[in-house]
Amino acid sequence: DTAVSQTPKYLVTQMGNDKSIKCEQNLGHDTMYWYKQDSKKFLKIMFSYNNKELIINETVPNRFSPKSPDKAHLNLHINSLELGDSAVYFCASSRSTGTDSNQPQHFGDGTRLSIL
Amino acid sequence: AQSVSQHNHHVILSEAASLELGCNYSYGGTVNLFWYVQYPGQHLQLLLKYFSGDPLVKGIKGFEAEFIKSKFSFNLRKPSVQWSDTAEYFCAVNAVGSGNTGKLIFGQGTTLQVKP
Repeated sequence: DTAVSQTPKYLVTQMGNDKSIKCEQNLGHDTMYWYKQDSKKFLKIMFSYNNKELIINETVPNRFSPKSPDKAHLNLHINSLELGDSAVYFCASSRSTGTDSNQPQHFGDGTRLSIL
Repeated sequence: AQSVSQHNHHVILSEAASLELGCNYSYGGTVNLFWYVQYPGQHLQLLLKYFSGDPLVKGIKGFEAEFIKSKFSFNLRKPSVQWSDTAEYFCAVNAVGSGNTGKLIFGQGTTLQVKP
């Protein structure tokens, strides 16, 4: 059974379009994350939600809007896509442990977004 | 601000050679430390983690890492690599303490290529 699943796996679209990526986890975790991996494989946190509440919002353009309808889902909507948005987007989840944060994050397979 | 530096960007080894990948972090407080592996076309998987206790931690697939607090280092080692270890390796840290959000800071990754 897939623990953290993302859809779609590949997304090819044109500049200016609006697209969404969905993420679901069946691990019973209450914290979910979005990371962006650029062409040089560098991974950077974008957002994190804990029990549907936004707790991390890194310096990400307003065109990116996460939505968490429940703690098992964290979707990412991107408006007015730009060439620089081309990347692999990874969803992850973990159990939250208060201030310890020693619970490892479990990652999805990634969504490869290509902007034409 | 926290940062993580991986010294080796691309490592090429023959099977049975020993491996050591360097990782240094900058943060004045207590951290949790992780090594993740990303096999070609796959998601990140946890190799091992350090929270406290014995600074030498053992992970899956024969990997181990040693936390040296005085050097802010968490180097990854394996005595004898296999062709199947070909992958991207990421060192990551998150801060422990009040106000922390579980945010993982990743190094830039090391590409390991093992020749049969």
